[in-house]
Amino acid sequence: QVQLVQSGAEVKKPGASVKVSCKASGYTFTSYYMHWVRQAPGQGLEWMGIINPSGGSTSYAQKFQGRVTMTRDTSTSTVYMELSSLRSEDTAVYYCALAARPDAFDIWGQGTMVTVSS
Amino acid sequence: QSVLTQPPSVSAAPGQKVTISCSGSSSNIGNNYVSWYQQLPGTAPKLLIYENNKRPSGIPDRFSGSKSGTSATLGITGLQTGDEADYYCGTWDSSLSAGDVVFGGGTKLTVL
Repeated sequence: QVQLVQSGAEVKKPGASVKVSCKASGYTFTSYYMHWVRQAPGQGLEWMGIINPSGGSTSYAQKFQGRVTMTRDTSTSTVYMELSSLRSEDTAVYYCALAARPDAFDIWGQGTMVTVSS
Repeated sequence: QSVLTQPPSVSAAPGQKVTISCSGSSSNIGNNYVSWYQQLPGTAPKLLIYENNKRPSGIPDRFSGSKSGTSATLGITGLQTGDEADYYCGTWDSSLSAGDVVFGGGTKLTVL
């Protein structure tokens, strides 16, 4: 079955960077786009961007332009999301989500908690 | 402030029906498909409805979706205590640079 398994929780200091991984299995990795969505504690969902695992092209939400980088490794069927210049407001659960359909997030990873604290 | 507007909370008794609205504009809901997600406490969101009114396999027909103009609605019939969750609508928005995905602020469903 299709599965997305994310890396474990992270604690970072303000100004640092974090890199979260999302390993896909159960389907052809390069067939579907992958999104990243985050959720601050007690808050709603916030879209961060999208990556095409086939060619590696990306599109980022304006809010994160210049701070986020999404990459992929086709040899391990893994996508990565790196967020730099972390601040306390970046404390959130970060999800990868598979877009098997163009307009929906079909499968979600289990989430990775990133805590930014001095 | 979310681009899409949802009521913060709705409630109904077991067995009853509830609807959750999602209001947007011509740059998002008006010209794009809407999807709905259920987020049970402490878990990742789960796709309930895609392309306005289609259900993925495994989603019971108690869940339905509709869209009219710049608004969308999620309906849940035969409410069960297990339906208590946060519900989010989402769609693409073409008013921003290359197009972004936007979500509603979420609606907390309480089954009394």
